[in-house]
Amino acid sequence: DIQMTQSPSSLSASIGDRVTITCRASQSVRSYLNWYQQRPGKAPKLLISAASSLQTGVPSTFSGSGSGTDFTLTISSLQPENCATYFCQQTFSSPWTFGQGTKVEIK
Amino acid sequence: QVQLVQSGSELKKPGASVKVSCKASGYNLTDYAMSWVRQAPGQGLEWMGWINTNTGNPTYTQGFTGRFVFSLDTSVSTTYLQITSLKAEDTAVYYCARLYASSTFHWFDPWGQGTLVTVSS
Repeated sequence: DIQMTQSPSSLSASIGDRVTITCRASQSVRSYLNWYQQRPGKAPKLLISAASSLQTGVPSTFSGSGSGTDFTLTISSLQPENCATYFCQQTFSSPWTFGQGTKVEIK
Repeated sequence: QVQLVQSGSELKKPGASVKVSCKASGYNLTDYAMSWVRQAPGQGLEWMGWINTNTGNPTYTQGFTGRFVFSLDTSVSTTYLQITSLKAEDTAVYYCARLYASSTFHWFDPWGQGTLVTVSS
């Protein structure tokens, strides 16, 4: 199975800060990488598919990049509603696997 | 709008069975496969597998074979997850999620609201 490792596991940043979350795959997943946001007590929500395609309705403050084994999710200006846990997911090879999550909090 | 609505929380004793439902609306159930994902308390996300909503053929990932069964009833646009011989370690939130495919890319969107299954004596 492909292991997905996210860093950091948690972070605390101020409103307006630029936040970057990294996801590393144990082997190349090309661009088969999705990002989800999970607010406390809620279901995950798709933010970005295929490494960099922003889903309709997702604020442009979110962006994704990378290919192969290294990927990043960037929030260009942190807002209170961005408090959540973010998960990456690879769909290159079955079983599709998720990262362990990165919890984002407001400082 | 496209929506998945799951059945409510369940409290079961060890050894019992549970059946979680996931009703799709806003689209034709058979146009997309459905996946199931488990999230144990305070933990990450585990993909359990998926069901082909045209054929009813399920595919399970390792760790979710034997006691886990995916099924569907197209007449009510609903897919189901049944878990038999429940164990304490099955305590988790179970999500259904539409499996969206575009070319060779796949993702889960949208997700149901989740169903908490608690197994306790």
